[in-house]
Amino acid sequence: NAGVTQTPKFRVLKTGQSMTLLCAQDMNHEYMYWYRQDPGMGLRLIHYSVGEGTTAKGEVPDGYNVSRLKKQNFLLGLESAAPSQTSVYFCASSDRDRGIVAFFGQGTRLTVV
Amino acid sequence: AQSVTQPDIHITVSEGASLELRCNYSYGATPYLFWYVQSPGQGLQLLLKYFSGDTLVQGIKGFEAEFKRSQSSFNLRKPSVHWSDAAEYFCAVGASTDYKLSFGAGTTVTVRA
Repeated sequence: NAGVTQTPKFRVLKTGQSMTLLCAQDMNHEYMYWYRQDPGMGLRLIHYSVGEGTTAKGEVPDGYNVSRLKKQNFLLGLESAAPSQTSVYFCASSDRDRGIVAFFGQGTRLTVV
Repeated sequence: AQSVTQPDIHITVSEGASLELRCNYSYGATPYLFWYVQSPGQGLQLLLKYFSGDTLVQGIKGFEAEFKRSQSSFNLRKPSVHWSDAAEYFCAVGASTDYKLSFGAGTTVTVRA
């Protein structure tokens, strides 16, 4: 049982490049979330999804897009990376039956130079 | 909109001493409340959760938290800390309507011998 898996774990991008972060969960959870973690800022919600085919904006959505075409996957895209997007990105999933207890992936460390 | 405030950025405590981490939340309805712990370079692990019922909840690793509706607080406590409790601690609030999950900025705990 893998839980929540994030791919890749590390990435360095040049300013202006694009990339997609993949989050996969095998717990059949309804809800999925993308956060970014920056020193002194805690975890800030970028986008989230309450079901397949649905997405919603969080606190800091600008510069990011997401898609949830399959229930088990939640993709986070950066169309044109900026140095301000250097961060550690965490994906999480949860389920209403468990009171939205979130299970987290191990994180993706992204550096934009 | 929901929000979480953790007033203490950094706390230093002696091994064997008691620990209390503060958390205040803002949410119009009855919230789901959580405490998570993050060790360096790791993902987040759930310590405990509150949904309803008994306002004093027990978690893993000897932690407990008390929900006080009148104060909009959910403070985390441990009677006697161990060196392994050194980590960053996050309080989170979940909305029972749209299942959005928001985190505080975190409190870093240092344990001195």
